[in-house]
Amino acid sequence: DVKVTQSSRYLVKRTGEKVFLECVQDMDHENMFWYRQDPGLGLRLIYFSYDVKMKEKGDIPEGYSVSREKKERFSLILESASTNQTSMYLCASSGTGTLQETQYFGPGTRLLVL
Amino acid sequence: GQNIDQPTEMTATEGAIVQINCTYQTSGFNGLFWYQQHAGEAPTFLSYNVLDGLEEKGRFSSFLSRSKGYSYLLLKELQMKDSASYLCAQFNQAGTALIFGKGTTLSVSS
Repeated sequence: DVKVTQSSRYLVKRTGEKVFLECVQDMDHENMFWYRQDPGLGLRLIYFSYDVKMKEKGDIPEGYSVSREKKERFSLILESASTNQTSMYLCASSGTGTLQETQYFGPGTRLLVL
Repeated sequence: GQNIDQPTEMTATEGAIVQINCTYQTSGFNGLFWYQQHAGEAPTFLSYNVLDGLEEKGRFSSFLSRSKGYSYLLLKELQMKDSASYLCAQFNQAGTALIFGKGTTLSVSS
C-alpha cells in the first residue's frame, strides 16, 4: 500500500512566522504535489515536483515555496504566514513514468494562522 | 481555467442507489478520476476512466462519455459509511496535475 505521511495533523502559527509542512512518501514515487482545500473552493494545486530538486508552480503559488532535496520528501514553506493561509494542506504523490498517474494523498495538515 | 461541475449536495437513504454527475472540459482530455473524502480525512482514490463506458468495482461504478464531457459515479446498496464528499478530477491541459471539482457531499440516512 502507498503511504504518504505529513508531519503534523494540526498546526497553529502566528502571522509572520515561517512555517514548514513536511510530506514523506514510501513508494519511490517521482511526482509529489501540494494542495490546499478550502470550503466552497475545493482542492487547489499550490506546487508540484516531478523529480528531485525540480519544482513547478500550480494554480496558487503566491506566498508559498517548496523544497525537494530527496525523492521521498517534499516540503511546503510559508515564508511569512498570513491569516488567509489558514487552510487544510494536502500532500499527494504519484507513481513512476508520466505525471498522468493516480495520486495518493496524505492525511492532511490543518493549519490555523492567528 | 478548467471547469469541472458537480452538484454541491445530495441525500439518500440506506440501501438505495445514487448517481453523482460530473461535467468537465473536453479539450486535452487525459482521463477522469473519482475520489472519496470523509470529513477531516484525505481523499482516497476510487476510479480512473480513460475510455467510454461503465467500469464496475463492487458497489461503486463509474461511467464516462468523452464526447459529452460527462461522467457519473454510481453507488449501490448505500451504507451509512458512504456519507462523504465525492470529488471528480481531471488532468490540467499540460497533463501535469489534477484539477478537482468542488465535490459533492453525500448524506446517507437510515
